[in-house]
Amino acid sequence: DIQMTQFPSTLSASVGDRVIITCRASQSIGNWLAWYQQKPGKAPKLLIYKASNLESGVPSWFSGSGSGTEFTLTISSLQPDDFATYYCQQYKTYPWTFGQGTRVEIK
Amino acid sequence: QVQLVQSGAEVKKPGASVKVSCEASGYTFTNNYIHWVRQAPGQGLEWMGVINPSGGSPTYAQNFQGRVILTRDRSASTVYMELTSLRSEDTAVYFCARDPAGEYYFDYWGQGSLVTVSS
Repeated sequence: DIQMTQFPSTLSASVGDRVIITCRASQSIGNWLAWYQQKPGKAPKLLIYKASNLESGVPSWFSGSGSGTEFTLTISSLQPDDFATYYCQQYKTYPWTFGQGTRVEIK
Repeated sequence: QVQLVQSGAEVKKPGASVKVSCEASGYTFTNNYIHWVRQAPGQGLEWMGVINPSGGSPTYAQNFQGRVILTRDRSASTVYMELTSLRSEDTAVYFCARDPAGEYYFDYWGQGSLVTVSS
């Protein structure tokens, strides 16, 4: 199985900060990577697919980049509604696997 | 609008089975695969399996082979996930999620169904 490792596990930030979350795959996955946001008690929400494509309706301050084994999710200016847990997911190879999550909390 | 509505919370004893439903609306049911993903309390996301509502055999994660059964009812636009031989480690929220284009990521999710396994 492809292992997905996110870092940091927890990130403390303030409104307006630029936030970068990294996701590393144990082998190359091309650009077959998605990012999700999850709030407590809710289902995940798709943010980014194919590493850098913004899902319809997702604010433009979210962006994704990377290919191969190293990927980043950037929030250019953190908003109050963005405090949540973020997961990456590879969909290059069965079984589809997720990172362990990065919790973005208020500083 | 696309919606996936799941059945409610369940409490089961170890060794029992549970069947969770996921009713789709707002799009053509047979056009998109449906996946199941679970999340244990305080933990991350784990992919379980996928079914094509049009037909064919489901695909399951190795961790769940022999214990999970995905089925479809096209007349009801509903997919079912049955998990057998339940153990305490199966206590989790189970989500169904739609695959937008057969690419194995997930654009719409159900609200989740909590399954608690306890004696």
